[in-house]
Amino acid sequence: DAGITQSPRHKVTETGTPVTLRCHQTENHRYMYWYRQDPGHGLRLIHYSYGVKDTDKGEVSDGYSVSRSKTEDFLLTLESATSSQTSVYFCAISEAIGVKEQYFGPGTRLTVT
Amino acid sequence: SQQGEEDPQALSIQEGENATMNCSYKTSINNLQWYRQNSGRGLVHLILIRSNEREKHSGRLRVTLDTSKKSSSLLITASRAADTASYFCATDGGSEKLVFGKGTKLTVNP
Repeated sequence: DAGITQSPRHKVTETGTPVTLRCHQTENHRYMYWYRQDPGHGLRLIHYSYGVKDTDKGEVSDGYSVSRSKTEDFLLTLESATSSQTSVYFCAISEAIGVKEQYFGPGTRLTVT
Repeated sequence: SQQGEEDPQALSIQEGENATMNCSYKTSINNLQWYRQNSGRGLVHLILIRSNEREKHSGRLRVTLDTSKKSSSLLITASRAADTASYFCATDGGSEKLVFGKGTKLTVNP
């Protein structure tokens, strides 16, 4: 496995609380991504980063923010969690955007009650 | 919106048989990729095929690409129980981000 870890791996939280998920890589790859995976929807891009402090929105970015202060860390924050954000969240990295393969972390299962 | 759509949604075969999954997409692409996801795990990259390639092989995997039909197929030959997983195609749609399909769930029965 590529050197990607996600923390926490599982989290249960209440509606309205803030939640931060962390993705850490040891590969020194420039690009990092956050996806969510839901039954019937497949994998959808939330936000991505193309360098330190450089981020952009994906397909389903509403309700999420991200930050990348170091090459190795990419944080996903749910400012006020809602039940619709219950999902499995995956972080991915790649050397180049689009034309290169992506390497995925193990995922974080988030339940918002 | 989904760029790639896999077909069938689910496939059940016996060990030793071949498995074929198809992916259709909507817009021009630079490349198409296939990924595998075992239950409860992250996706694993299998193979990348560029828009100017028609066929690519990797071990027991064979991928074809028909840009005129905007479709690709993934063939797994001599399947094994360990091939049981979901398989996703992903396209760049000519842009800088990958868009994944909803996947085909393959079950290989021993």
